[in-house]
Amino acid sequence: KAGVTQTPRYLIKTRGQQVTLSCSPISGHRSVSWYQQTPGQGLQFLFEYFSETQRNKGNFPGRFSGRQFSNSRSEMNVSTLELGDSALYLCASSSQWGTEAFFGQGTRLTVV
Amino acid sequence: AQTVTQSQPEMSVQEAETVTLSCTYDTSESDYYLFWYKQPPSRQMILVIRQEAYKQQNATENRFSVNFQKAAKSFSLKISDSQLGDAAMYFCAYRRTQGGSEKLVFGKGMKLTVNP
Repeated sequence: KAGVTQTPRYLIKTRGQQVTLSCSPISGHRSVSWYQQTPGQGLQFLFEYFSETQRNKGNFPGRFSGRQFSNSRSEMNVSTLELGDSALYLCASSSQWGTEAFFGQGTRLTVV
Repeated sequence: AQTVTQSQPEMSVQEAETVTLSCTYDTSESDYYLFWYKQPPSRQMILVIRQEAYKQQNATENRFSVNFQKAAKSFSLKISDSQLGDAAMYFCAYRRTQGGSEKLVFGKGMKLTVNP
């Protein structure tokens, strides 16, 4: 069974630009969550999608948004990038019955 | 709001020895899950062990075991017979069982070094 796939693995963007990250969950998993990981703040929850609906949202500005498609693949978008958005973005998927979240390898975003 | 605290930012252990990583949490919920995740340099978070709060028995997975003290809100991870491959960042995490959300609340993490 394929794991959680995140693309791209690395990304360099300029301040003010926007970026879209992609996450393909494990087959059959309907929940996808996104986390931001930085050395200063650690791992912070961004949002969770289940069956194309946002089920939970963290404390991030509106520049951070996401969506989920009917095949459970998810994208997150960050508009008007700031230097502080440089981070590792992790995606996790879960089945509707499971308690375990499976993580992808993350996307390393650098904003210059 | 739930919080998870890992007070030791770094630890080291000799290969083949035992090490214990500490974690405390704060919640008003009575039912929840606790996890230990490992993040090696490859960056991928890997589940090490899981504990359901309603279970009194401590979880065990091969060389990994936990000491779950619900009243004290403590959840420590013991690694026995440490191996070089155990070197990584370790994160303690909490998840509610109610509310239908998969949201994890993480501690700041602890860097484990294994010395040969």
